[in-house]
Amino acid sequence: QSALTQPASVSGSPGQSITISCTGTSSDVGGYNYVSWYQQHPGKAPKLMIYDVSNRPSGVSNRFSGSKSDNTASLTISGLQAEDEADYFCSSYSTSSTPLFGGGTKLTVL
Amino acid sequence: EVQLVESGGGLAQSGGSLRLSCAASGLTVSSNYMSWVRQAPGKGLAWVSAILSGGTTYYADSVKGRFTISRDNSKNTVYLQMNSLRGEDTAVYYCARSFIRGVITSFDPWGQGTLVTVSS
Repeated sequence: QSALTQPASVSGSPGQSITISCTGTSSDVGGYNYVSWYQQHPGKAPKLMIYDVSNRPSGVSNRFSGSKSDNTASLTISGLQAEDEADYFCSSYSTSSTPLFGGGTKLTVL
Repeated sequence: EVQLVESGGGLAQSGGSLRLSCAASGLTVSSNYMSWVRQAPGKGLAWVSAILSGGTTYYADSVKGRFTISRDNSKNTVYLQMNSLRGEDTAVYYCARSFIRGVITSFDPWGQGTLVTVSS
């Protein structure tokens, strides 16, 4: 199975909002409400930011939100802050009962 | 506090073997879906293997037949036995728990990772 498709990079200024897309197929993103998003700072382990398309784990800022339309999921970060600069990965459950990951998106806060 | 601590990484020869360990605290591995996820240098995340609470195991096609996931309930530890290692197995290997019970997805927490380097 192919990885999910994410833009290689996005950027935004402090205070702005950005959206990262994650495109799959009807066999993964479009077929299940099991999309999750991870934030990874350099040299650190990934951190779960969104699960089940739009749910935030306890402790994650409400500036992070998720959504899905057909085969594309999206992560929106509002009120960008310098600390949001990181790599972001999406993941989806799939028909093989195993997860797929996206290639990752590097967020730069200008 | 829920914590996962990996160990066992290092340098291995192509064709060689390594066994990774993931010691858990604050959670019971036998009651959770536990996975290994790897990240090659400068690359994205790739799911490798999972062991479900009932003992069923799953593998990515790239490691099927070469890697074996297991657990020791008495030690609350998950293992990844890696045989017939290849250069493309070079990566940081993370242990992670599925946050949502019943599906291999939504990983939280993650361990700090252990680096595996395969040389030819």
